[in-house]
Amino acid sequence: QVQLVQSGAEVKKPGASVKVSCKASGYTFTSYDINWVRQAPGQGLEWMGWISAYNANTNYAQKFQGRVTMTTDTSTSTAYMELRSLRSDDTAVYYCARGLVVRGVLNWSDPWGQGTLVTVSS
Amino acid sequence: SYELTQPPSVSVSPGQTASITCSGDKLGHRYACWYQQRPGQSPVLVIYQDTKRPSGIPERFSGSNSGNTATLTISGTQAMDEADYYCQVSDSSVLFGGGTKLTVL
Repeated sequence: QVQLVQSGAEVKKPGASVKVSCKASGYTFTSYDINWVRQAPGQGLEWMGWISAYNANTNYAQKFQGRVTMTTDTSTSTAYMELRSLRSDDTAVYYCARGLVVRGVLNWSDPWGQGTLVTVSS
Repeated sequence: SYELTQPPSVSVSPGQTASITCSGDKLGHRYACWYQQRPGQSPVLVIYQDTKRPSGIPERFSGSNSGNTATLTISGTQAMDEADYYCQVSDSSVLFGGGTKLTVL
């Protein structure tokens, strides 16, 4: 079955960076895209960006441009999301999801990984 | 900037029909999808491209999108449907609604 398995929880200090991994299985990795979404405690979903697993094209939310980098490793069917210059309000659960982008538009995201809690605290 | 507005909460009795709305300017011109998120779990896609159900999603879930409003309808609501629901649209970027907490009581 299609599955996305994310790396474990992280605790970081303000100003540090975090890199979350997302290993895909059960489908042809390069036929889809990977979407990244975060959710602060008790809050809603916030889109961060997506990356094409086929050609590594990216589309980042304006809020994160300059601070986020999304990459893929097709040899291991793994996607990565690195967020730099962490602040306390970056504390959230970070999700990856398989997505389908058609002509630059994200049609859907399914399934989602289990989430990775990133805590930013001094 | 573009915004999607959902009611914070909706209540429904078991077996009845629940409707959750998502409003945005000319929303009907874009594809909408809906995600269900149970407490402590990852979101699950329940409707995509306005009206389509992924495999494994019960037939009681349906969607529509016209004018300025997309609607998720749950017919014969069950206790297991109690969750947060998020609408999402996309053009050059992706936007989620604020979420609606569905209570089945």
